[in-house]
Amino acid sequence: DVVMTQTPVSLPVSLGGQASISCRSSQSLVHSNGNTYLHWYLQKPGQSPQLLIYRVSNRFSGVPDRFSGSGSGTDFTLKISRVEPEDLGDYYCLQSTHFPPTFGGGTRLEL
Amino acid sequence: EVQLVESGGGLVQPGRSLKLSCAASGFTFSNYYMAWVRQAPKKGLEWVATISTSGSRTYYPDSVKGRFTISRDNAKSSLYLQMNSLKSEDTATYYCARGNGGYWGQGVMVTVSS
Repeated sequence: DVVMTQTPVSLPVSLGGQASISCRSSQSLVHSNGNTYLHWYLQKPGQSPQLLIYRVSNRFSGVPDRFSGSGSGTDFTLKISRVEPEDLGDYYCLQSTHFPPTFGGGTRLEL
Repeated sequence: EVQLVESGGGLVQPGRSLKLSCAASGFTFSNYYMAWVRQAPKKGLEWVATISTSGSRTYYPDSVKGRFTISRDNAKSSLYLQMNSLKSEDTATYYCARGNGGYWGQGVMVTVSS
């Protein structure tokens, strides 16, 4: 299985500041069709996960432009600018290029 | 509005079976792959099953292969997860998700304990 390594595990931030989360895969996430199936999710306390970014850099419907994704191959980053209180929670990356889909271990964004 | 509502969770003894259901609404259910994802208490997320639009193809990780069966009824816009030979390590909140997780249900708790 593809191992997804997320860092850091915990990320203290200040409101209004910037945060960056890294996700590295044990093998390339470029599919044979040329797409890269790397996605980012936020799980707020007591809630289900919600999709933020799909296929590396595409914001899901309703996601503010403070969230941006980048990367290629095996190295990916989620950046959050102007952090707001509703951004706090657990962030996960997911690869679905290779079966089975695998999640990163998560990053807790906290004050 | 897309809605996914899981049901069927509860407390079950090791070795027994349980069937989860997910009622979908707000989209054309038959057009989407569907999946089950679980989260053990205070742990991360684990993908446990995927099913194709017609139901003809299913996928499982080794951790549940041979014990769990995902199925769907497109006429009823419903997704199912039959869980057999349950183990304590299957204790988790189980989420129904559309496609690659564009939408998730609220989750249902399954506790495997004697």
